[in-house]
Amino acid sequence: DADVTQTPRNRITKTGKRIMLECSQTKGHDRMYWYRQDPGLGLQLIYYSFDVKDINKGEISDGYSVSRQAQAKFSLSLESAIPNQTALYFCATSDSGTGTSNTQYFGPGTRLTVL
Amino acid sequence: QKEVEQDPGPLSVPEGAIVSLNCTYSNSAFQYFMWYRQYSRKGPELLMYTYSSGNKEDGRFTAQVDKSSKYISLFIRDSQPSDSATYLCAMSLEGTYKYIFGTGTRLKVLA
Repeated sequence: DADVTQTPRNRITKTGKRIMLECSQTKGHDRMYWYRQDPGLGLQLIYYSFDVKDINKGEISDGYSVSRQAQAKFSLSLESAIPNQTALYFCATSDSGTGTSNTQYFGPGTRLTVL
Repeated sequence: QKEVEQDPGPLSVPEGAIVSLNCTYSNSAFQYFMWYRQYSRKGPELLMYTYSSGNKEDGRFTAQVDKSSKYISLFIRDSQPSDSATYLCAMSLEGTYKYIFGTGTRLKVLA
């Protein structure tokens, strides 16, 4: 079984709809991240969480919100989806116990299309 | 100017060739350098991770960091069609969570 799972893997929705993307991990890591990937722009950090009670905005948090329900679960919500939020979304995890390396491990991604 | 620059490719090579993938960066304080491989419709997979300068080898893959030139490289020896993917470089500062990613280079290895 995959260490980092994301659901759904694909989603098509309409402008104005509320969408939730979910991420679960079995790696036992305390840190979790949400990124989006757009062609030509690379990976951009949306939100990150160092533990259940520590949630922080990344570079491009406008229009997004998150919830860390447990150490193993981190959800990303689009409150009112718009077409320019069409992208690939990735969840990642890392372990603060590895010291300063903070090596990040990624899930398989969710392809979101907003019409 | 972006903090990390990476040629998007595509780079096409014949099977068995030596592949060189590169990134340049502007922040001399970066200490951690990563290479990720991303197959189509999959998440990035960590290939190599290097701290500070020098070389690191793992099988057919060698990662090099030249901090004086702010330049990192990934070499793939005896390239295989299964190496066809997008390769992303990433960098971070000592003790921080934040990764700065390159945009990725798309590699095609032709059988």
